[in-house]
Amino acid sequence: TQTVSQSDAHVTVFEGDSVELRCNYSYGGSIYLSWYIQHHGRGLQFLLKYYSGNPVVQGVNGFEAEFSKSDSSFHLRKASVHWSDSAVYFCAVRNNAGAKLTFGGGTRLTVRP
Amino acid sequence: GPKVLQIPSHQIIDMGQMVTLNCDPVSNHLYFYWYKQILGQQMEFLVNFYNGKVMEKSKLFKDQFSVERPDGSYFTLKIQPTALEDSAVYFCASGRDWGGNYAEQFFGPGTRLTVL
Repeated sequence: TQTVSQSDAHVTVFEGDSVELRCNYSYGGSIYLSWYIQHHGRGLQFLLKYYSGNPVVQGVNGFEAEFSKSDSSFHLRKASVHWSDSAVYFCAVRNNAGAKLTFGGGTRLTVRP
Repeated sequence: GPKVLQIPSHQIIDMGQMVTLNCDPVSNHLYFYWYKQILGQQMEFLVNFYNGKVMEKSKLFKDQFSVERPDGSYFTLKIQPTALEDSAVYFCASGRDWGGNYAEQFFGPGTRLTVL
């Protein structure tokens, strides 16, 4: 069984600040990790993924995430946030054997002007 | 990017009635999914579908639920009969591949179902 934990339900920062959204998972085998963003009233938009190779992956709009096997983590970061980054962010995992995504509870990011 | 459409965006029905949620997936995608999100809770997998068959389903995919994609048209989720606990937002997703490195799932905006 795979599980995903996003420890912060809400994060509030100011425009121009850096931010890190935390994601920890539990699964013993090969794993595929991804982040999605959900703006209010809209579907999930894919941000980035990690499957293998360089543990730091780049996504859209300046987001990046770093995979750590030792910490079982896949934290999302952005160096300088914009007000339009305000949304709910979901971390998701999938074991390589099947396509079912298991989601974390989401982190609501609020960026204040 | 690729867009998945869902129709309708909102549906209100009485308990016991049948409802069909429609999904228009990305045109060259072959793998289809439904997820359920109860207000304030995390999104949970219901079912995935490929080549006319259910590949995986969760315990949330009750006997009252069914999925199909007749003649390559909409991918549908039917609930018959509906129950109060079926009230949620249902998200459809589609993907080009099943596993490996190219299995991104593209999500629709969701259908909010309210069962009275």
